[in-house]
Amino acid sequence: QVQLVQSGAEVKKPGSSVKVSCKASGGSFSSYALSWVRQAPGQGPEWMGIIIPNFGITKYAQKFQGRVTLTTDESATTAYMDLSSLRSEDTAMYYCARLRVCSAADCPYYFDYWGQGTLVTVSS
Amino acid sequence: DIQMTQSPSTLSTSVGDEVTITCRASQSISSWLAWYQQKPGKAPKLLIYEASNLESGVPSRFSGSGSGTEFTLTISSLQPDDFATYYCQHYNDYSPTFGQGTKVEIK
Repeated sequence: QVQLVQSGAEVKKPGSSVKVSCKASGGSFSSYALSWVRQAPGQGPEWMGIIIPNFGITKYAQKFQGRVTLTTDESATTAYMDLSSLRSEDTAMYYCARLRVCSAADCPYYFDYWGQGTLVTVSS
Repeated sequence: DIQMTQSPSTLSTSVGDEVTITCRASQSISSWLAWYQQKPGKAPKLLIYEASNLESGVPSRFSGSGSGTEFTLTISSLQPDDFATYYCQHYNDYSPTFGQGTKVEIK
């Protein structure tokens, strides 16, 4: 059974950075395609980016280009999301989520397993 | 980016009712649409993919239909566990977006 377990809540100052981890168990981590999705209070989810280590692919939503970095540590079966230059509007729940299917032929961006979420609060 | 618009925003309904939620895309997305259920404090749960395919383990009272720009999620006989917020999400391109959500609440 696939499980994604994220790191704990963070409180950050404006202008600082945050790094959230997502540890995977079950299945084969090297074959995972993982996205990060955030959800501000009372809002719909918002896709931030994707990392597919098996194919050497990392893509970011245009809105977060230059501010977000996605990485993985395969030995630790863990993915990371680093968001810099934080502002109050970045206060949200951040989720990692696995693509349901991903092959060399296609990786449709919808998600079957999600982490429990990490609340990031940006406040002075 | 493709905009996804759901209606209604809130639905007040009762156990046993049939519920229909609509999702409209700002341009054609073929059948590249997923539906999720989210309960307070929890991550979204995948219900439907490719507009009408039921995810494994999801009760058959959930169904999806549509293609192009208009889609529906139907719950045939609402159960107490179904009171939640529902989101549609397109994956027509490499910039997926979600709707703003439809909250299904007890009348």
